[in-house]
Amino acid sequence: AQSVSQHNHHVILSEAASLELGCNYSYGGTVNLFWYVQYPGQHLQLLLKYFSGDPLVKGIKGFEAEFIKSKFSFNLRKPSVQWSDTAEYFCAVKQKAAGNKLTFGGGTRVLVKP
Amino acid sequence: DVKVTQSSRYLVKRTGEKVFLECVQDMDHENMFWYRQDPGLGLRLIYFSYDVKMKEKGDIPEGYSVSREKKERFSLILESASTNQTSMYLCASTPGGRGTDSPLHFGNGTRLTVT
Repeated sequence: AQSVSQHNHHVILSEAASLELGCNYSYGGTVNLFWYVQYPGQHLQLLLKYFSGDPLVKGIKGFEAEFIKSKFSFNLRKPSVQWSDTAEYFCAVKQKAAGNKLTFGGGTRVLVKP
Repeated sequence: DVKVTQSSRYLVKRTGEKVFLECVQDMDHENMFWYRQDPGLGLRLIYFSYDVKMKEKGDIPEGYSVSREKKERFSLILESASTNQTSMYLCASTPGGRGTDSPLHFGNGTRLTVT
């Protein structure tokens, strides 16, 4: 069965610091890749997605992610975080052969100190 | 804007009770999903549905069942609640049927405590 691994469970950093969250998946076939974010007290929402083409994708709020097929990775980055980026971040992978079924990683809680 | 509404924000139930979690979406989406969210485990898929009256098992269907009698409503049923089903339950929907690339639209979640 496919698995999705997020390396860090908790990240604490100061405003203006750079952020990188790791995501690796185990499936070798064609995949669609997503990052979702859950701000405190809010529902999960899509941050960005990769289906094909340029492996560097840009999402909302200055986030970007890079798909490295050889490493089965889809890491999320932001050059300079703000206090409002405090949230839980989830990587998700969809196997094209599995219809619309997403597999989520365990999530990373990010706390940005003002 | 898509709205996915879960009927309860918080629920407390006793072991052995039958529990119904309701989810309604207002955008005529074909696909609906039930996940549970637990710390460190992320979201795990319980059941999903691509159309009215059809359902498919997700990764952790044991102890749960679902019902989709109308397109807009997807119910999760805990036949006999147990303490290990204490969790946050999230409903989600997408348009487009099986295989769509559309992202999930989530509800706000129902935090269920089984005592």
